[in-house]
Amino acid sequence: EPEVTQTPSHQVTQMGQEVILRCVPISNHLYFYWYRQILGQKVEFLVSFYNNEISEKSEIFDDQFSVERPDGSNFTLKIRSTKLEDSAMYFCAGTLQGISPLHFGNGTRLTVT
Amino acid sequence: GESVGLHLPTLSVQEGDNSIINCAYSNSASDYFIWYKQESGKGPQFIIDIRSNMDKRQGQRVTVLLNKTVKHLSLQIAATQPGDSAVYFCAASPRGSNYKLTFGKGTLLTVNP
Repeated sequence: EPEVTQTPSHQVTQMGQEVILRCVPISNHLYFYWYRQILGQKVEFLVSFYNNEISEKSEIFDDQFSVERPDGSNFTLKIRSTKLEDSAMYFCAGTLQGISPLHFGNGTRLTVT
Repeated sequence: GESVGLHLPTLSVQEGDNSIINCAYSNSASDYFIWYKQESGKGPQFIIDIRSNMDKRQGQRVTVLLNKTVKHLSLQIAATQPGDSAVYFCAASPRGSNYKLTFGKGTLLTVNP
């Protein structure tokens, strides 16, 4: 069964540094998402992306965050200047279209020190 | 906005018993609901979903019930197996939002042999 692949599985970075989290969605998916889960808390929506542009974003997704799909394959989340409170599991997800459920990757654990 | 909550943070059952995990949501505009299972170190795994034009949907060993009157959602797992042990999340999405899911906090299901 096709999977959403995320790399790296664990990223450690220092506060203020830029990080890029990478995702390879399932090949026939058209809608892409980033969610995050702070340890012990709920999974939270960050952003949705369709047709090479952001469809929706949450309040969490401020100017420090950006997404892109540079080569039609990878889907990336960039955090320009990380803060301690950015430490979380970041999940990439995708769906073919509005009638199929979201499929999640196994996440990247981001630790900001 | 939407608020989604699970009634019990933990649930322990005997192997072979049926399990029921409950969830409440607040936004009457929510029209798509989904249950995910999350095992340690993995991303949310789709179990079953339901739209607001239905009140029951069945899958393999799982049933989702939706009561829009009281804004309540439940997941029933028949003949629970040790492999069902995981954290279960419900999530809801409002009409037209295209999978901007609001997640509950999760119920840890433990299946005792």
